Amino acid sequence: EAEVAQSPRYKITEKSQAVAFWCDPISGHATLYWYRQILGQGPELLVQFQDESVVDDSQLPKDRFSAERLKGVDSTLKIQPAELGDSAMYLCASQPRLRGADTEAFFGQGTRLTVV
Amino acid sequence: GENVEQHPSTLSVQEGDSAVIKCTYSDSASNYFPWYKQELGKRPQLIIDIRSNVGEKKDQRIAVTLNKTAKHFSLHITETQPEDSAVYFCAASQGNDMRFGAGTRLTVKP
Repeated sequence: EAEVAQSPRYKITEKSQAVAFWCDPISGHATLYWYRQILGQGPELLVQFQDESVVDDSQLPKDRFSAERLKGVDSTLKIQPAELGDSAMYLCASQPRLRGADTEAFFGQGTRLTVV
Repeated sequence: GENVEQHPSTLSVQEGDSAVIKCTYSDSASNYFPWYKQELGKRPQLIIDIRSNVGEKKDQRIAVTLNKTAKHFSLHITETQPEDSAVYFCAASQGNDMRFGAGTRLTVKP
């Protein structure tokens, strides 16, 4: 069964350092989301891509966060510099594009970031 | 943009009892409403979904109801079991723009 792949699974970094996460969506899925999930809370949308284009990055702290999906397939989320408050689970999800009908979003295992 | 509110944030029930989780959404254009279950340390996984042209959907012990006029939808779990313990998230989606509620931590006591 196809899955959304994310790496690394865990990352510990010192504050002020740069960190990057990678996501490979299910093949053929046009929509890709990056969510941040603080322990015990719901996923909070950071950025949404449709193919290689950003659809929504209104909640992305652009002074330190950046995201790209250059070829419309895999995606990278970067934080520079990391702050203590960035410690969270970063989830990637993908959705197929079906004409006229939304459908399930499939999640990766996530990257748990700890900033020390 | 869409805003989804979910209640309660925590819910504790006795094994065998029913559990109900409620969500409201703000964008009347939303037309797809999935529910995800996230066990500790695992990824969220879809357990049931409903589309705007349907008022109710059931799958064994799980059911979801949708009231489009009031813009709210609910998850119902009957005959709860300890393995139902998890965090449950509702979501509302329109045009592949999915927004989540804050989650409900369900604990089923044996």
